Amino acid sequence: GDSVTQMEGPVTLSEEAFLTINCTYTATGYPSLFWYVQYPGEGLQLLLKATKADDKGSNKGFEATYRKETTSFHLEKGSVQVSDSAVYFCALSENYGGSQGNLIFGKGTKLSVKP
Amino acid sequence: EPEVTQTPSHQVTQMGQEVILRCVPISNHLYFYWYRQILGQKVEFLVSFYNNEISEKSEIFDDQFSVERPDGSNFTLKIRSTKLEDSAMYFCASTGDRGNQPQHFGDGTRLSIL
Repeated sequence: GDSVTQMEGPVTLSEEAFLTINCTYTATGYPSLFWYVQYPGEGLQLLLKATKADDKGSNKGFEATYRKETTSFHLEKGSVQVSDSAVYFCALSENYGGSQGNLIFGKGTKLSVKP
Repeated sequence: EPEVTQTPSHQVTQMGQEVILRCVPISNHLYFYWYRQILGQKVEFLVSFYNNEISEKSEIFDDQFSVERPDGSNFTLKIRSTKLEDSAMYFCASTGDRGNQPQHFGDGTRLSIL
């Protein structure tokens, strides 16, 4: 079945460092891909998404490009801030005739940014 | 910005007892979901609900689980006879359009079974 694999955390960076969180997926069809973020004590918030190959999702300085050839959707940010400390989840949903299926999540990667 | 709200934030229940987790989806949304996350594990899909009936469910969602939309605003998850392994964070989500809109999540209910 479909699955999402993320790099294991935790990831600890200094402020202004470059961030990459790797995500690869396995899917039978043509999924939409998502990054969700969970700040301490809060729910899951959509960070960005991409719905087809070569699309780039971006938000709050974060970017991820849908790479069908490598089945990847790596999350990047050029300069992280302390406020970016959170758990990041990669997820996919299959598309059925234009309608999205349910979300399949990776395990999550905890990011800690030190001042 | 409209939010999905879940109550309570933390529920502690004795094993074997029934528990009801409550969610108020975003008001104009039509599709509703429950997910759970056992500590240290993945967020897992439980069930989706549309037009007053279950549209999909996972193998986790067995006969002990049920969902209901008792009125125009609430969406509930009931666990009939809780087990220790039901301890998890339960997330409710909703979306207005499965084709184009992402799912919006609540802050979750932490369920602890003793």
